[in-house]
Amino acid sequence: QKEVEQDPGPLSVPEGAIVSLNCTYSNSAFQYFMWYRQYSRKGPELLMYTYSSGNKEDGRFTAQVDKSSKYISLFIRDSQPSDSATYLCAMSASTGYALNFGKGTSLLVTP
Amino acid sequence: DAGVIQSPRHEVTEMGQEVTLRCKPISGHDYLFWYRQTMMRGLELLIYFNNNVPIDDSGMPEDRFSAKMPNASFSTLKIQPSEPRDSAVYFCASRRTSGVYNEQFFGPGTRLTVL
Repeated sequence: QKEVEQDPGPLSVPEGAIVSLNCTYSNSAFQYFMWYRQYSRKGPELLMYTYSSGNKEDGRFTAQVDKSSKYISLFIRDSQPSDSATYLCAMSASTGYALNFGKGTSLLVTP
Repeated sequence: DAGVIQSPRHEVTEMGQEVTLRCKPISGHDYLFWYRQTMMRGLELLIYFNNNVPIDDSGMPEDRFSAKMPNASFSTLKIQPSEPRDSAVYFCASRRTSGVYNEQFFGPGTRLTVL
């Protein structure tokens, strides 16, 4: 069993919908949680970063971490076709450690 | 900054041939990571370096894979001999120790096809 689990989708939503993407993990030592966005035939790019538990908001994007449930979420409000991409969660126990990535969820936002 | 540079962007080779992938990290970054991405397995860490020293190579699938970082601005990932199951997109990423974020910056990837 991988340390980080993520539903690969694909997830298809109409423009303007609220999107919820999720990951679960098994290692309670994880403290640093990230969401990367990967467009087709490109490398992943950091989208959101959260340390420990709580919420973080950046424009239309909100990242949530629930360490008690070992569950993280990314919400996208007012989704746009330009949000169509693969979203990968990533996490680590320390800044000195490598990241553990989920498999990624493919999202398609249709006009 | 030019970002992480990888070459070649595409590689098609025949089974049994040697393949060498190249990476130039962002200047000033002291960590370098090699990943492999497939539909089935997602993004897998192969090996990473800190200050040019390999720290963890437990993700290297077998002895056919080797990686080097002779200096702070260059790294190679070699597959010899290559097999069809090595077909994947190989990413190089780099980051710096300083700062709060654990952000890794990815290159555009090398799409490898082994026939």
